[in-house]
Amino acid sequence: GQQVMQIPQYQHVQEGEDFTTYCNSSTTLSNIQWYKQRPGGHPVFLIQLVKSGEVKKQKRLTFQFGEAKKNSSLHITATQTTDVGTYFCAGGATDSWGKFQFGAGTQVVVTP
Amino acid sequence: EAQVTQNPRYLITVTGKKLTVTCSQNMNHEYMSWYRQDPGLGLRQIYYSMNVEVTDKGDVPEGYKVSRKEKRNFPLILESPSPNQTSLYFCASSGVSGARSPLHFGNGTRLTVT
Repeated sequence: GQQVMQIPQYQHVQEGEDFTTYCNSSTTLSNIQWYKQRPGGHPVFLIQLVKSGEVKKQKRLTFQFGEAKKNSSLHITATQTTDVGTYFCAGGATDSWGKFQFGAGTQVVVTP
Repeated sequence: EAQVTQNPRYLITVTGKKLTVTCSQNMNHEYMSWYRQDPGLGLRQIYYSMNVEVTDKGDVPEGYKVSRKEKRNFPLILESPSPNQTSLYFCASSGVSGARSPLHFGNGTRLTVT
């Protein structure tokens, strides 16, 4: 079945630096979504990518969906302390509108 | 305010004692789903529902039941809880496109089974 892997599991970043988290699926995805979960909170939707090769930006965040729709990345520039949290990718299955699989998440710690 | 409401927030119970975690949304969403979150494993889908009376298994359905008798409610039932079901549970909902629409999550239910 579908497997969504996310790396790295942990990311320690100096404030002001850039970092990237990667998401890979064993199967082609219909769409990919990214969520952010602050410590003690619930996942909050950031963005959805649907098209092959799609790139979307939200201020300092850049999201990409691979050409084969099997991988995705989130790149954050000039990291701030407000970026602390766990970032999850989540992929939708092509054969089901209901099945949805999350990666294990990248926990981001920012040091001032 | 548009929201997904889960109750209770915290629950400690003993092995074998049936329990229900409630989930309600006020956004008239067709799609609802349950996830459990465990360290290092992310969120794993337990069950989902595309609409009233339509439910289906996710990746980890064993030991859980759900029902969708009304559009707004999607309770999670543990008929005979076991310690390996100790976890943080999230309910989520979205519009007509199911998992192809943004998910709105509840605040979570932390369950401990002793």
